[in-house]
Amino acid sequence: AQSVAQPEDQVNVAEGNPLTVKCTYSVSGNPYLFWYVQYPNRGLQFLLKYITGDNLVKGSYGFEAEFNKSQTSFHLKKPSALVSDSALYFCASYAGNNRKLIWGLGTSLAVNP
Amino acid sequence: EAGVAQSPRYKIIEKRQSVAFWCNPISGHATLYWYQQILGQGPKLLIQFQNNGVVDDSQLPKDRFSAERLKGVDSTLKIQPAKLEDSAVYLCASSLGPQQPQHFGDGTRLSIL
Repeated sequence: AQSVAQPEDQVNVAEGNPLTVKCTYSVSGNPYLFWYVQYPNRGLQFLLKYITGDNLVKGSYGFEAEFNKSQTSFHLKKPSALVSDSALYFCASYAGNNRKLIWGLGTSLAVNP
Repeated sequence: EAGVAQSPRYKIIEKRQSVAFWCNPISGHATLYWYQQILGQGPKLLIQFQNNGVVDDSQLPKDRFSAERLKGVDSTLKIQPAKLEDSAVYLCASSLGPQQPQHFGDGTRLSIL
């Protein structure tokens, strides 16, 4: 079965420190990978995507993600966390020609001042 | 560009009543999605439209939920009759096409008493 896993329910990091939110995928064919962020009482916002090309993808708000085919991972990273980055983060993937987006369960990021 | 508009933002009804939600996608976006998001969980796709045709409604409880997208633009999602387990946030999203980044509205928070 095709799936997207976010192994950590919650990540805590101090403001100014680097942050990583993990995502692994198990889909057939070449994956189309996405990261979304959800702030309280808001809809999801698109952060970045990987389809082909450079393994390091840069997105909104200083976030980036690294595609690693051998490890089937697409971890979200930011060099220096802000308190305002505290939110719920979702990883998602399309599998090749499949038009259904497969969602991870989300990771709650808390950035402490 | 204007974002995805949803109304109402909040709705409280009693079980067995009916309710309807409205969504206006981003202009030019051919693909429209309705999601159900239960507190603390990821979004669950209810129905996906491509223009005014249904692409995927495999997870839509068709005995009580219905959706339409008139003229391939606005969409409405209806629940009749509502059950307690329908308490959730209903998110509408749109994209230029399948496998493109999705843009979300802020959702309708539905509470069933």
